[in-house]
Amino acid sequence: NAGVTQTPKFQVLKTGQSMTLQCAQDMNHNSMYWYRQDPGMGLRLIYYSASEGTTDKGEVPNGYNVSRLNKREFSLRLESAAPSQTSVYFCASSGLAGGLDTQYFGPGTRLTVL
Amino acid sequence: QKEVEQDPGPLSVPEGAIVSLNCTYSNSAFQYFMWYRQYSRKGPELLMYTYSSGNKEDGRFTAQVDKSSKYISLFIRDSQPSDSATYLCAMSFTGGGNKLTFGTGTQLKVEL
Repeated sequence: NAGVTQTPKFQVLKTGQSMTLQCAQDMNHNSMYWYRQDPGMGLRLIYYSASEGTTDKGEVPNGYNVSRLNKREFSLRLESAAPSQTSVYFCASSGLAGGLDTQYFGPGTRLTVL
Repeated sequence: QKEVEQDPGPLSVPEGAIVSLNCTYSNSAFQYFMWYRQYSRKGPELLMYTYSSGNKEDGRFTAQVDKSSKYISLFIRDSQPSDSATYLCAMSFTGGGNKLTFGTGTQLKVEL
C-alpha cells in the first residue's frame, strides 16, 4: 500500500502561471482533503470532498479549485498563482480506524510562487 | 483569537526528559482531540486521540483532556532523539466525516 501519494514534490511558478497538484490514495477512503501549511499558521483546510462527486470549501478556498476525479484521486488547481500561495500543500484521505475517522496525509508538495 | 492555540516552541530537552506539550481551545463543542507528529519534510501522522475528557496512555505517550478548562496535553516520558519532530494538536466535533481544526504545532528537539 502506498497510502496517499502527491505529485509533484517541488514546484516553482511565476506569478500568473497555473498548475495542478495531484493526489491519489489506495485505501478506498471516501473522504479526501487539501490543506496548506504555513509557518505560524498551522494546517488550514482549503477544500474537502466527502465522497466521489462532491466537494466543499474549507477555511481558505480563494484562488483554488478542486476536482474529485474518482474515488482515488483529488486534484487541486491554481488558476493564476500568486506569491501568497507559496506554501506546503498536503493532501489527506480519511477512513475509520479504531473508532475514529482518521486522516492520513501525503508527503506534501512544496510550492514557491515568484 | 484562534480557535486552537499552541505554543510554537521550539522546545529543546535532554534525552530522557519528560516533555509536556499543550493546547488550549475556545469552542466547547469539540469532542475528539488528536495529536499528530510531523517529522521534517514529511506529512503529519496520527499519534494518539482521546474522546471527551480523561487520559489515554500508549507506551511512553500520555494524552490528557480537561474539557472544563478547554486544555489538552501530551506527555512524553523518557524522551528519545527520535521523538524530535513537530507535534500538532487537532480537534473535531465528531469522530466521523470530520473536519479537523489544527493548532500551529510545537517543534520539539531531544538532544543527546
